[in-house]
Amino acid sequence: DIQMTQSPSSLSASVGDRVTITCRASQSISSYLNWYQQKPGKAPKLLIYAASSLQSGVPSRFSGSGSGTDFTLTISSLQPEDFATYYCQQSYSTPIFTFGPGTKVDIK
Amino acid sequence: EVQLVESGGGLVQPGGSLRLSCAASGFTFSSYWMSWVRQAPGKGLEWVANIKQDGSEKYYVDSVKGRFTISRDNAKNSLYLQMNSLRAEDTAVYYCARDEVIRGGSSNDYWGQGTLVTVSS
Repeated sequence: DIQMTQSPSSLSASVGDRVTITCRASQSISSYLNWYQQKPGKAPKLLIYAASSLQSGVPSRFSGSGSGTDFTLTISSLQPEDFATYYCQQSYSTPIFTFGPGTKVDIK
Repeated sequence: EVQLVESGGGLVQPGGSLRLSCAASGFTFSSYWMSWVRQAPGKGLEWVANIKQDGSEKYYVDSVKGRFTISRDNAKNSLYLQMNSLRAEDTAVYYCARDEVIRGGSSNDYWGQGTLVTVSS
């Protein structure tokens, strides 16, 4: 089974900061990596699919990169509405998915 | 507009059963794989199961194999999750999600609002 890890598990940042979250797979997953944002009490929202493709309607300050085992989600300039928990998800073993444990971004 | 609306959650005793439903609208339901994803209180997301467009293939996370059954009714645009032999660790918000396949990979591009299942005596 493919295991996903994320770092850090949480971070504190200020509005306007550049934020980077890392996701690592236990084996190569090519570019089959998605990123989601979840706010408290809400359903997750797809941000990035196939490692670097921006989902329709998602602001361009979000970007994804990486391939193989190491991936990154970057928020270029953190906005107040971006404080949330972010999850990576591998779809290499589709139709079976695995999520990472999440990274909580809160206000510094 | 794509909409997914879950129902059927509630309080159930350990060992009991519950059937969740997800009503889909705004897209051609029969053209998509569909998933159930859960989230225990204060915890992360866990993919639970998914089902092919025609129901011919079904996949489950190991922890629910033999206890949960995913199914669908394309005529009713509905997805289901039959949960038997429920355990305390099944307590979670259960989300219905659409699987989108792009360039060989998949993602869950639309989600319902979730329904809470609580397993407790």
